[in-house]
Amino acid sequence: KAGVTQTPRYLIKTRGQQVTLSCSPISGHRSVSWYQQTPGQGLQFLFEYFSETQRNKGNFPGRFSGRQFSNSRSEMNVSTLELGDSALYLCASSWGRGVGNEKLFFGSGTQLSVL
Amino acid sequence: QKEVEQDPGPLSVPEGAIVSLNCTYSNSAFQYFMWYRQYSRKGPELLMYTYSSGNKEDGRFTAQVDKSSKYISLFIRDSQPSDSATYLCALMAGGGADGLTFGKGTHLIIQP
Repeated sequence: KAGVTQTPRYLIKTRGQQVTLSCSPISGHRSVSWYQQTPGQGLQFLFEYFSETQRNKGNFPGRFSGRQFSNSRSEMNVSTLELGDSALYLCASSWGRGVGNEKLFFGSGTQLSVL
Repeated sequence: QKEVEQDPGPLSVPEGAIVSLNCTYSNSAFQYFMWYRQYSRKGPELLMYTYSSGNKEDGRFTAQVDKSSKYISLFIRDSQPSDSATYLCALMAGGGADGLTFGKGTHLIIQP
């Protein structure tokens, strides 16, 4: 069974640009979550999508957005990039929501560098 | 006070030693406790999953949760060089409304 696939693996952008990251969850998984990982802040929850609807959102500005498609694939977008957005962006999928479905399976991430 | 505190290390031990990794937390709403292992340039992978207090054993790994002290531990027996990685604790409240709250991770080095 294929794992969580994230593309691209690396991105270099400049301040003010926007970026779109893609995530394909494990087959059959319906929930996709996004996390930002930095050396200073560690792993921080961005948002979760289930059945094409955003279910939860972390404490990030509105420049960070996402969506989920009917096949459970997800994209996240960051607009007006800032230097502080440089991070590893991780996508995680799980079977569903609620008790017993909290086990997240992570992709290898997209390393975003903002210059 | 941060919700989850975890010593970043690095923690360096000789091969074969017993390793103890720990996290403390402040939010009593946390009910689900997990340990993830992350190798360099990879995403975290789930090692252990525990609901509420108690112990759980899986091979060389044992997870302990003490909700009264708000303290969770991961023990690794007979440590191997391949165990060298960053270990992150992750906690979640019931319902999962806020996703997982991660510790910053402990960098573990097993010396051959």
